[in-house]
Amino acid sequence: DSGVTQTPKHLITATGQRVTLRCSPRSGDLSVYWYQQSLDQGLQFLIQYYNGEERAKGNILERFSAQQFPDLHSELNLSSLELGDSALYFCASSASGGGGYGSPLHFGNGTRLTVT
Amino acid sequence: KNQVEQSPQSLIILEGKNCTLQCNYTVSPFSNLRWYKQDTGRGPVSLTIMTFSENTKSNGRYTATLDADTKQSSLHITASQLSDSASYICVVSPYSGGGADGLTFGKGTHLIIQP
Repeated sequence: DSGVTQTPKHLITATGQRVTLRCSPRSGDLSVYWYQQSLDQGLQFLIQYYNGEERAKGNILERFSAQQFPDLHSELNLSSLELGDSALYFCASSASGGGGYGSPLHFGNGTRLTVT
Repeated sequence: KNQVEQSPQSLIILEGKNCTLQCNYTVSPFSNLRWYKQDTGRGPVSLTIMTFSENTKSNGRYTATLDADTKQSSLHITASQLSDSASYICVVSPYSGGGADGLTFGKGTHLIIQP
């Protein structure tokens, strides 16, 4: 168990709708990251928050937004959903910058989003 | 453009056999390379990490090697078990201090162990 909790596990919704994915990081971790994993694709970095502030941005669409709250949990909001947004969305956390030698990413088990 | 290429895309072997997965990268600068294991329906879990000064790192039956000159890494699995069935992902970081925006992920090798 990584200690990172993601809810819901599965989400099925229609095109044009809006959904919110939630992530609780490992206890003590200040950084939260969101990744998208489409079928047969590698993990694509979306966005990182560190202690409530946006730290880095990746290939995140304008229809997507995220935030990290004072209790350090994070939410990823996906709006105007399209069929191509169907994917696994992972949240990860780390103690600091993430990816460095002493700071591996700890991943949750993901939210599987299906847009119909 | 920073890239991480993994081969093969998928691999099927019999339980008890050994196998080797490959990772070639063009990430520059280079700080460290990490192998993750991703079970179906779950998030990736870190197996090993190596910097440019480390040639090999073991974690039980998993042994990773790194050749920073040729920018190649391999993950060798010894005496495979059914629980080794998973995707194995190679991730390269350019920053010693971390920075998720700099991480480059490979697409993974899907390994199936048959009884």
